Order: sequence, then structure tokens, then C-alpha cells
Amino acid sequence: QVQLVQSGADVKKPGASVKVSCKASGYSFVTFGINWVRQAPGQGLEWLGLINPYNGHTEYSQTLQGRVTMTTDTSTSTAYMDLRNLRSDDTAVYYCAREVMKSGWLSMDSWGQGTLVTVSS
Amino acid sequence: DIQMTQSPSSLSASVGDTVTITCRASQSISKYLSWYQQKPGIGPRLLIYGASSLESGVPARFSGSESGTDFTLTISSLQPEDFATYYCLQTYRKPRTFGGGTKVESK
Repeated sequence: QVQLVQSGADVKKPGASVKVSCKASGYSFVTFGINWVRQAPGQGLEWLGLINPYNGHTEYSQTLQGRVTMTTDTSTSTAYMDLRNLRSDDTAVYYCAREVMKSGWLSMDSWGQGTLVTVSS
Repeated sequence: DIQMTQSPSSLSASVGDTVTITCRASQSISKYLSWYQQKPGIGPRLLIYGASSLESGVPARFSGSESGTDFTLTISSLQPEDFATYYCLQTYRKPRTFGGGTKVESK
């Protein structure tokens, strides 16, 4: 079955960087895009960006203002999200989610378990 | 960016009730609208895609509909396991945008 397994929780100081991983299994990794979504404590879902593992093409949310880089390693079926110059308001649970087309419509059908990133001095 | 306005932000209901949640898109998104259920501490679960298609394994009491830029998620005969937060998502354009969420609580 399709699984996305993320790296464990992390605590960082303001100004540092964090790299979250998302290992896919159960399907052809290069066939579907990987979204990154975050959820601040008690808040809703915020889309961060999307990467196409087939060609590495990325699209990012403007709100991250150039602080994010998304990459993939097709040899290990793993997606990565690197967030730099962390601020306290980056404290959130970060999710990866597979984007698929079903009957012509796009949706996110499989999600990782989430990675809590805490930014604190 | 496409704005998704979801309402209500919360509601109280009892087991057996029919619950309706609405999302309105700020522009046409065709049927690129999906619905998700989220329970505390775990990632969202896809319920509906293409505005009205039921994801495999999702109970038939969940249904979706669309009228122009208005989208509705209906839960018929609410079950105890349905108390959760629900989100809509548009995948018509990037940036992808979610509705603000609706928390369904027990009355």
C-alpha cells in the first residue's frame, strides 16, 4: 500500500535551518507530485509547495519568500523540504502529501504522519 | 491567489444528524475541489475529489456537490468517528489553497 513516512520531530533555534524528509513506498515515486503542507498549533492547513519527482520542477508558496527548497532523491524515493532562516512562526507540523489525478481531477490522496518542527531560542 | 471561504468554522451535532459544510471559491475552479477529514495528531484523510467523487474506502454517508463556485460536503447520519475537522482544498491553480476548516463537535 502507498505509504509516506516522514522524519522525526526537530527543535531548532531562530535563524537555523531544518530539513524534513518524506520516504515514499508502494508506488512509482516519479509518477506523482509531492506537496508540502504545514499546520501551526491550533491552526488550519497551509500549502508550502509542490515538487515533481520526475523532473525536479518545483513551485513554492510566495509566503515563504525564498526560504524553502524542495528536492527529491529518486534512488531512495525520498522527498526533502529544506526551510532556512527559521522564525518562531515556522513552528508547525509539516506534512508531505502525494498529488494524484483521479478521473481527471487532482487531489492529495496519501499523507505522511507529520513532522513537528519547533523553533525556539 | 484563489481564496476558499469555508463555513461554518465549527458546529455541534449529534450522532444520526445530517451535517453540511460549505466552501466558496473566489473564482471558478471547475471541479478541482477535494474534501479532507483530520483528527487530532494525524494527517488529513481524503474523502471526496472532483467535488463529488467518493474516495475508495470512504463510507457512502459522505457526499459532495457543486454549484458554480459553491461546494458542499454532506455527512448523512453522523457517526461517532465523524467528529473531526474538515477542510476543502482547491487544486485548480497554484498556490493550492485550503478552506479555513470546520470543526464538527458533539452536541
